[in-house]
Amino acid sequence: EADIYQTPRYLVIGTGKKITLECSQTMGHDKMYWYQQDPGMELHLIHYSYGVNSTEKGDLSSESTVSRIRTEHFPLTLESARPSHTSQYLCASSRDFGYGYTFGSGTRLTVV
Amino acid sequence: DQQVKQNSPSLSVQEGRISILNCDYTNSMFDYFLWYKKYPAEGPTFLISISSIKDKNEDGRFTVFLNKSAKHLSLHIVPSQPGDSAVYFCAASAGSNYQLIWGAGTKLIIKP
Repeated sequence: EADIYQTPRYLVIGTGKKITLECSQTMGHDKMYWYQQDPGMELHLIHYSYGVNSTEKGDLSSESTVSRIRTEHFPLTLESARPSHTSQYLCASSRDFGYGYTFGSGTRLTVV
Repeated sequence: DQQVKQNSPSLSVQEGRISILNCDYTNSMFDYFLWYKKYPAEGPTFLISISSIKDKNEDGRFTVFLNKSAKHLSLHIVPSQPGDSAVYFCAASAGSNYQLIWGAGTKLIIKP
């Protein structure tokens, strides 16, 4: 079944640690996105990709980095986690930019 | 400047009654609108959409109305059920080459 997967679902980590949030999709979508969302707040786009070897920063400044070496895989890395990074991170993919985003279940990150 | 606005952060409705969620937009180039539903600790899921060539789209208990002259759309849920309690995001698209623009969401609470 075509889908989009995020791991881990929940992560509690200490300040200063390096972490990678995984996102994979089996739909063959070219476009992929990372959003950050806090309760009661809008979705903030932090990174997106047009396709393999293309990555762009989103509207919200983020200290994270992303890579897109394979179509199906779009991991997000925080080199040194801080409490301000505590949030929910949502990965999505789509065939076109303007339509039909499919989201993963999200990663709830807590940095202590 | 927010191009998509959901001015009600929350809405409480009695079970069985109609829920009406509103969304306003400022960009006249938007030609496609979507509603997503999000439960806590999960990713948003697509609910219903409408193209700017229509003024109404219906899917079961969910109906979206579009008023282009007022740059306003609304989502009607009839009858409201406990499982409808979630955050609802409105999103707008200016075409397949442009990313979705998201509203801040409205938290819908269905009271028994």
